[in-house]
Amino acid sequence: AQSVTQPDIHITVSEGASLELRCNYSYGATPYLFWYVQSPGQGLQLLLKYFSGDTLVQGIKGFEAEFKRSQSSFNLRKPSVHWSDAAEYFCAVSSGAGSYQLTFGKGTKLSVIP
Amino acid sequence: SQTIHQWPATLVQPVGSPLSLECTVEGTSNPNLYWYRQAAGRGLQLLFYSVGIGQISSEVPQNLSASRPQDRQFILSSKKLLLSDSGFYLCAWSVPGPSGNTIYFGEGSWLTVV
Repeated sequence: AQSVTQPDIHITVSEGASLELRCNYSYGATPYLFWYVQSPGQGLQLLLKYFSGDTLVQGIKGFEAEFKRSQSSFNLRKPSVHWSDAAEYFCAVSSGAGSYQLTFGKGTKLSVIP
Repeated sequence: SQTIHQWPATLVQPVGSPLSLECTVEGTSNPNLYWYRQAAGRGLQLLFYSVGIGQISSEVPQNLSASRPQDRQFILSSKKLLLSDSGFYLCAWSVPGPSGNTIYFGEGSWLTVV
């Protein structure tokens, strides 16, 4: 069975600082990987996804993520954080193109200090 | 472009009362439809998914049920709510394709059972 671990429950960064949110997955084959963001009381918005090809994936809002098979990781990065990036971030893994099962990590809450 | 609408946004229901949450998707045909629940500190849990009208798969046994009376309409119901049914319910959709089964979420419904 596939699983996702987000080791950091809560991260605080200063506005303008760089950000890296960690995600580790467990899956035997090549996974389909996603990052979502959730503002308080809102639904989840897709930031980016990886299916194949280039291991560095660009997303919306200036985010990027890098797939590292050797480390079973799909970390999310942003070079300069804005106050509006404060939210909860979820990493998710799917086992394939036809899979209905999207397994989520428990999320990392990001706080931004002005 | 595709949009998803979910309502009501917030509701407070007494224990033992019925529940109906409704979701519709616009701008696509024959989508896969999903109901997720998000409880505090527990991540996202897939409750039901549907690949077509009248086709419902349940992932977690509970006192909730789902129905899909029309192609782009998905309803979550309960005959008698329990306190443990409180949470944030998210409807979602996807259209499987060569690049995978990317899932998109609605804005969610807050349910408080009192």
